[in-house]
Amino acid sequence: AQSVTQLGSHVSVSEGALVLLRCNYSSSVPPYLFWYVQYPNQGLQLLLKYTTGATLVKGINGFEAEFKKSETSFHLTKPSAHMSDAAEYFCAVSEGGAGGTSYGKLTFGQGTILTVHP
Amino acid sequence: NAGVTQTPKFRVLKTGQSMTLLCAQDMNHEYMYWYRQDPGMGLRLIHYSVGEGTTAKGEVPDGYNVSRLKKQNFLLGLESAAPSQTSVYFCASTPMRGQTYEQYFGPGTRLTVT
Repeated sequence: AQSVTQLGSHVSVSEGALVLLRCNYSSSVPPYLFWYVQYPNQGLQLLLKYTTGATLVKGINGFEAEFKKSETSFHLTKPSAHMSDAAEYFCAVSEGGAGGTSYGKLTFGQGTILTVHP
Repeated sequence: NAGVTQTPKFRVLKTGQSMTLLCAQDMNHEYMYWYRQDPGMGLRLIHYSVGEGTTAKGEVPDGYNVSRLKKQNFLLGLESAAPSQTSVYFCASTPMRGQTYEQYFGPGTRLTVT
């Protein structure tokens, strides 16, 4: 079974500061990894994803994440926070490469609420 | 394209009442999913479908039923609503081809059971 742990249910940063949201996963097969963002009263929007290939992936709005297999981590970063980044962020894992019975099912972390102070 | 749409956006039910949530997608996606979102618990998979006429249980299926009679629609039913089913429900879909399993989400349905 796969699982996702997001360290810190709330993260607060100042505008212009580094954003670091942590995600660790467990999976019995090579995973596909995703970060989604949810703005208040909206659905989830994909920020970025890792499937295969380059382990540093870039997403929308200046975010990026690095897949580290040895650490089973997929932390999300942004060099300089903006007020518009305030939202809830979800890390998710899928047994993508296994095909077969995975059917793209996602297992989500608990979510991290990012607050950005002026 | 409208993407993934959900009907209704809000609903209040009394305990024991029934209702159906409708999810529709116009992207010709094969796979569709229903999740519920509760504070501090992320999203949990209720049921999913890998094609017209097929459904399967997810992580938290009890108290829910689903149907996928048409490829573009995925219905979630609550036969006898309970306060524990108060939640925000999200539908998602993904194409089978390409198999990166990026899921496209609807805007959600906020359900309150009193």
